[in-house]
Order: sequence, then C-alpha cells, then structure tokens
Amino acid sequence: QVQLQESGPGLVEPSETLSLTCAVSGDSVTSTGFYCAFIRQPPGKGLEWIGSVLYSGNSYYNPSLRSRVTISIDTSKNQFSLKVASLTAADTAVYYCASGRELTFTRHWGQGTLVTVSS
Amino acid sequence: QSVLTQPPSVSGAPGQTVTISCTGSTSNIGAGYDVHWYQQFPGTAPKLLIYINSNRPSGVPDRFSASKSGTSGSLAITGLQAEDAADYYCQSYDTRLSGWVFGGGTKLTVV
Repeated sequence: QVQLQESGPGLVEPSETLSLTCAVSGDSVTSTGFYCAFIRQPPGKGLEWIGSVLYSGNSYYNPSLRSRVTISIDTSKNQFSLKVASLTAADTAVYYCASGRELTFTRHWGQGTLVTVSS
Repeated sequence: QSVLTQPPSVSGAPGQTVTISCTGSTSNIGAGYDVHWYQQFPGTAPKLLIYINSNRPSGVPDRFSASKSGTSGSLAITGLQAEDAADYYCQSYDTRLSGWVFGGGTKLTVV
C-alpha cells in the first residue's frame, strides 16, 4: 500500500519560495518506473498539474510554471520535494503530491496541504 | 480555461444514469492519448476512478464505466446513488504542453 505524506508551511509571504516535501512509504522512489508528481487546486477551483519527476531524475514541468518550479527526488529519505519561487496570491492552493508507475496518470495521492500566500 | 472541457454540473435522481463528457482536441485525446477519470469529495484528495479510457481500479463499482471516441471521453454512472455526489475530473496528456491536462471538473448532484 503506497502512502504519501506532504509537509510544508501553511502560510508563505509573497515573493518568497515555497518548499514542500512528500514522504513515500510502500514503494521506493528509485525503483525503475517510479515517478512522482505535484498537482495543485486553488480554493473552489479545478486541478492543475505542476510537474513530475521520474526515478531517473528526469523532470517535466507545466510550461506556465516552469520558470518558477523545481521538483527533485531525495533518495536518502525516500521522498520528493517541490519548490515554487516568486510566490503571489495566485499560488494559494491545496498542493497534492501523487505517484505511480504509469506515466500518464496517477494511482496514489497524498492528503494535500493548503498553502496560503499572504503577508 | 481548461484544456479539456467538462460540463460544470450534472444531476440525476437515485437509480438513474448520468454521463459526463470530456472534450479535448487533436493535441491530446484526439492524438490518441488516453483519458483518465478521478472522483473527489469535498475536503479530500482526488481518487483514481477510471484509467486508460475504460479500466476500473479494484474496488470501484461496475456502475462506473467510461469510453473514449475521437477527441472526447465520457464517464457514465448507472444506478445513481446518493454517495456518488462528488466532483469528477478527466485527465489526459497534451503534446503542445508536453504534460498532463485536466478538465475543469463536473459537480454531480444526486437529487
């Protein structure tokens, strides 16, 4: 049973950088075929894919966020992380981490963490 | 403006059948990429409902079915139950964006 647990600050100031981690249990982030992704959902709105990283370290980002986003894998802790720079109020959302072994969709989701960008 | 278009809302009475459409284009569904569906209850994470156009993960009732044709996908829920009231999202891959795209979501109300 794969389980994902997000952790990070609930409140971040504008222009700062958001850092979130997603701890993985029940699978290995370095095993062949494994990938992780981050998806966000502004309050009352739909889902937006932020980006994905493969077990190999290759990463893929939403073009609308690419200049501000980094997703990486920490093999020593079996977790992956998201960084979003230059935050604005428009980045306020519930951030989900997700994982799977099929690159085109996701089977496993974390519970999500609300990030509010405000001073 | 989502890349995949879904109706904002649908409704049905218990026992009825409802369908939710997901319309894409030649850069995603029409290019041969699969359609996947997620179910989301308020305050909770989405859950995979249908993968690769028509496949149900274990534990998903066979009241839920889906198909894909041309540039669209469709989710059908038969024998509607009150517990089916939720938001439903379709998802695919888009070659122009080189990444995942979601529909805007459809709120199902069981009246």
